[in-house]
Amino acid sequence: DTEVTQTPKHLVMGMTNKKSLKCEQHMGHRAMYWYKQKAKKPPELMFVYSYEKLSINESVPSRFSPECPNSSLLNLHLHALQPEDSALYLCASSLRQLYQPQHFGDGTRLSIL
Amino acid sequence: SQQGEEDPQALSIQEGENATMNCSYKTSINNLQWYRQNSGRGLVHLILIRSNEREKHSGRLRVTLDTSKKSSSLLITASRAADTASYFCATDAGKSTFGDGTTLTVKP
Repeated sequence: DTEVTQTPKHLVMGMTNKKSLKCEQHMGHRAMYWYKQKAKKPPELMFVYSYEKLSINESVPSRFSPECPNSSLLNLHLHALQPEDSALYLCASSLRQLYQPQHFGDGTRLSIL
Repeated sequence: SQQGEEDPQALSIQEGENATMNCSYKTSINNLQWYRQNSGRGLVHLILIRSNEREKHSGRLRVTLDTSKKSSSLLITASRAADTASYFCATDAGKSTFGDGTTLTVKP
């Protein structure tokens, strides 16, 4: 079991749907991350939150909208996604941003029809 | 291109053998980390080595760092079938950037 919990584990959605991915940690970490990982590729950083404020946005399309309601929760809102957005979406957290080991959830496997 | 690049891309060995994988990076770093990812799972942090350290051990893992060559290596000794996974190096360089990874297969 991982200490970072992601829900749902699998998600299939149409291009016109709106859905949200959720991530939760209770380790007192103040940095949280979203990554996108395609098959046989490394994770690609999408967003970083530090102390509940967005600190890094890696030029991610606006159809992905992150939200950090509190220090334990991180959401990724999805709208009007494209088939190429199908991937594994990983959430991670670390004690502070940068220079710290990251703890990963097991991800949400997203398929866009 | 990726900040970290692993070599080899794939490695297949017998149980009990040692596995060595390498990582090269391009810019100055504060630390370098190695992660393991089992199929269908998230990444697991293995070890962090700081830029002023040359070698670090954790159980069957040995990591070296050569900042003059901008390279690091991960050695897994006495490998087990359970070590079968993808291994990634990650550098901080202002943000977390993962290399392309080495896929290790350990045959029983």
